[in-house]
Amino acid sequence: DTGVSQNPRHKITKRGQNVTFRCDPISEHNRLYWYRQTLGQGPEFLTYFQNEAQLEKSRLLSDRFSAERPKGSFSTLEIQRTEQGDSAMYLCASSLTLGRGSYEQYFGPGTRLTVT
Amino acid sequence: SQQGEEDPQALSIQEGENATMNCSYKTSINNLQWYRQNSGRGLVHLILIRSNEREKHSGRLRVTLDTSKKSSSLLITASRAADTASYFCATDAAGGTSYGKLTFGQGTILTVHP
Repeated sequence: DTGVSQNPRHKITKRGQNVTFRCDPISEHNRLYWYRQTLGQGPEFLTYFQNEAQLEKSRLLSDRFSAERPKGSFSTLEIQRTEQGDSAMYLCASSLTLGRGSYEQYFGPGTRLTVT
Repeated sequence: SQQGEEDPQALSIQEGENATMNCSYKTSINNLQWYRQNSGRGLVHLILIRSNEREKHSGRLRVTLDTSKKSSSLLITASRAADTASYFCATDAAGGTSYGKLTFGQGTILTVHP
């Protein structure tokens, strides 16, 4: 399977613990995006990378959230000191973006986080 | 905040009928995209329409875009039970340096009864 993969698929953690999610994009894609989706809502943008550079972070992304994309390949999203409000589906997407054209994004299956 | 708003929030039809979903947005866009999401799964890209296009077709899907009204519609013809899913519109805002970042609506839940 050469699509976007995310691990783990499900994570249950206790409030205050740290969690880390991984996203492996489609191999030739230079852009990688993280979104968060709560029940009954559409995905909300969190951050994105062009190769290894993090170009933008949403105001939704508090100081407890950090994302990396070393070497421009896979990416990790870490949440420190989790809170119950962090419970959501975390979606990763990638695209091959060349200049200011229009490009579709390919989404992974998501990581569902439950904070108890 | 969500830029797009879908209408209706939920739609229930019989197999074989057509389904129409609408999306409104607030700012100028580079393009608008429609995605489908089956329950608890990731999103699947359906169709992308650029700001200078007015209509686009892909199989049983027809998308229209009216930039003067800042609205789009997705028509699924001859619906099937397998079309049951949530449908989201997403906009790529024009201008600025953050092109490619998508802003999603809240989605329309489509149920197709066999």
